[in-house]
Parts: sequence; structure tokens; C-alpha cells
Amino acid sequence: DVKVTQSSRYLVKRTGEKVFLECVQDMDHENMFWYRQDPGLGLRLIYFSYDVKMKEKGDIPEGYSVSREKKERFSLILESASTNQTSMYLCASRAGTGISYEQYFGPGTRLTVT
Amino acid sequence: RKEVEQDPGPFNVPEGATVAFNCTYSNSASQSFFWYRQDCRKEPKLLMSVYSSGNEDGRFTAQLNRASQYISLLIRDSKLSDSATYLCVVNGDGNKLVFGAGTILRVKS
Repeated sequence: DVKVTQSSRYLVKRTGEKVFLECVQDMDHENMFWYRQDPGLGLRLIYFSYDVKMKEKGDIPEGYSVSREKKERFSLILESASTNQTSMYLCASRAGTGISYEQYFGPGTRLTVT
Repeated sequence: RKEVEQDPGPFNVPEGATVAFNCTYSNSASQSFFWYRQDCRKEPKLLMSVYSSGNEDGRFTAQLNRASQYISLLIRDSKLSDSATYLCVVNGDGNKLVFGAGTILRVKS
């Protein structure tokens, strides 16, 4: 079974702190994604990566950055956390270059910024 | 206009009922379509892909209407365990998926 793990299920940070969210997948998938999920808005893509050291902006990259130094690990960084970044963050991975492959999600990190 | 639009519900139905969800998408170039299921406080998981000819998986039937840019999911003989949020998903530009906000289904005994 594909497994996508995220470093924390719940996280509380203060405004202005630098926040690291880690994601690891164990199936050698090329593609990895970071989403945030908010009520009524669904999943919105923050950043994605096709390969090691590659990254692409998604729909809402402002205030975030990412790092992919190893194929299995994709990190999301909030440079200076703000209260409007309080959300559920979901990491996902997908094999191959085709869009038809299944996308597997991690359990999510619920981040609260106070 | 959102790229993928769904009725948020909730749909409250009794066990054994048939329920249908609809979804519209705006990108006429989209080629791949999916339904994902998300249980409360859990991550989304693929329920089924949606093919041009329509497809069925047990009690679940998915249909695609490209002309109207419309996808549907039909659930027959609803079970309590079908209670979840159903996400309509369409491929966007590049190698990305675009998710609808989801439709909540509550099946009651």
C-alpha cells in the first residue's frame, strides 16, 4: 500500500513564526503536491513538484515556499506565519507523468496560527 | 466562476435510497475526471475514475457529459457507511488536478 505521512497531525504556531511541514511518501512517486483545505473552498493547490529539486507554483503560492531535496520528501515552509494561514494542509503524491494515475493523500496537518 | 462546481448539500437520505450528485466544470480541454471520497477528519481517497462511456463499480455509477461539461455520481441502495463528502475532480492545466468543494452525504437509518 502507498503510504504518505505528514510530520504532525496538529500544530499551533504564533504569528510571525517560521513553520515547516514535512511530507514523506514511500512509493517512489515522481509527483508531490501541497494543498490547503478550507470549508466551502475545497482543496487549493499551493505548490507541486515533478522531480527532485523541481518545484512549480500552484494556485495560491503567496506566503509559502517548498523544498524537495530527496524524491520521497516534500517540505512546505511558511516563512512568516499569519492567521489567514490557519487551515488543514494536505500533502499528496502521484506516480508517472499521466494525469490518470491515482493521487494519494497524507492524513493532513491542522495548523492554527494565533 | 469556479473551475469545478458542486452542490454542497448536505444530502440527507435514508438507508436504501438512491442519491445522485452533479458537478460542472469550466475547462473544456479537461480530459480526466474522478470522484474522490473524504470521510470526516480524514484524507481524500479515490472512489472512481469517470470514463466517457460511463462506468459502474458495484452500487456506484459515474457519468460524463462532455457537451454540457457535467459529471454525475449515482449511489444506489445507500448504506450508513456511504456518509462522507464526495469530491468532483477534473484535470486542469498541466499536470494538476482541480478539486470541487465537495458534496456532503448523510445516510440515516
